[in-house]
Amino acid sequence: GESVGLHLPTLSVQEGDNSIINCAYSNSASDYFIWYKQESGKGPQFIIDIRSNMDKRQGQRVTVLLNKTVKHLSLQIAATQPGDSAVYFCAEKGIQGAQKLVFGQGTRLTINP
Amino acid sequence: EPEVTQTPSHQVTQMGQEVILRCVPISNHLYFYWYRQILGQKVEFLVSFYNNEISEKSEIFDDQFSVERPDGSNFTLKIRSTKLEDSAMYFCARTSGFNEQFFGPGTRLTVL
Repeated sequence: GESVGLHLPTLSVQEGDNSIINCAYSNSASDYFIWYKQESGKGPQFIIDIRSNMDKRQGQRVTVLLNKTVKHLSLQIAATQPGDSAVYFCAEKGIQGAQKLVFGQGTRLTINP
Repeated sequence: EPEVTQTPSHQVTQMGQEVILRCVPISNHLYFYWYRQILGQKVEFLVSFYNNEISEKSEIFDDQFSVERPDGSNFTLKIRSTKLEDSAMYFCARTSGFNEQFFGPGTRLTVL
C-alpha cells in the first residue's frame, strides 16, 4: 500500500549549520513530492516541491533532492535559523490522477542557539 | 497566494453531537481538501472536492462525514455524530489547478 516514511523522528542542529531531513517513499508510481513545515498549533506550510522528472530543485535556503532509484527524498536547509525549528513532513501524490497527498510521520527539527 | 481561512479555530463538543467545520477559500480555487491530524501524528487525507462533487475520499471518510459548498463560497465538513476518536486538528487545503496544496490554519476539534 501507499506509505511515506521518515528515517529520523528528531534532529537537532546548531544555528548556522546545514540540516538534512530524509524521507523514504514506497510508491514507485508517485510523480510529485512536497515538503511542508509545521509549527506548533499551525497548519502545514508549503516549503518546496519536486516532480518525478527532476532530481533536484532549489529554493531560498532549501534544496530538495529526489532519488527515484532508491525512492528517497531529502530536504536540505542551509544556514539554519531559530525560526526553522518545526516539524517537517514529506508528502507524495502517488496514484496517477489522484489528488490526495500521502504524508510521512514528520521529523522534528530543533535549532540550538 | 492568499491562504484559506477556517472557522472556528477551536470546537468543543459532546460525543454524539453534530459539528460543522468551515473553510473559506478564494473563489477561483478548483480543488478543495479536508485533512485531519490526530495529536502527535501525521496528516491524513479525508476527502477532495472538485466542481461541487467529491472526487476522492479515504477510508476514514465514512457515512458520518459529509462535505458541501452550500453557498458557492464556504466549504464545510460535517461530522454527524462525533466520537471521541474524532478529536483532531482538521485542515482545509486548496489548489488552483497545479499540484501545490496550501493549507489553512486548522480547526481543533475536541470531543468530550
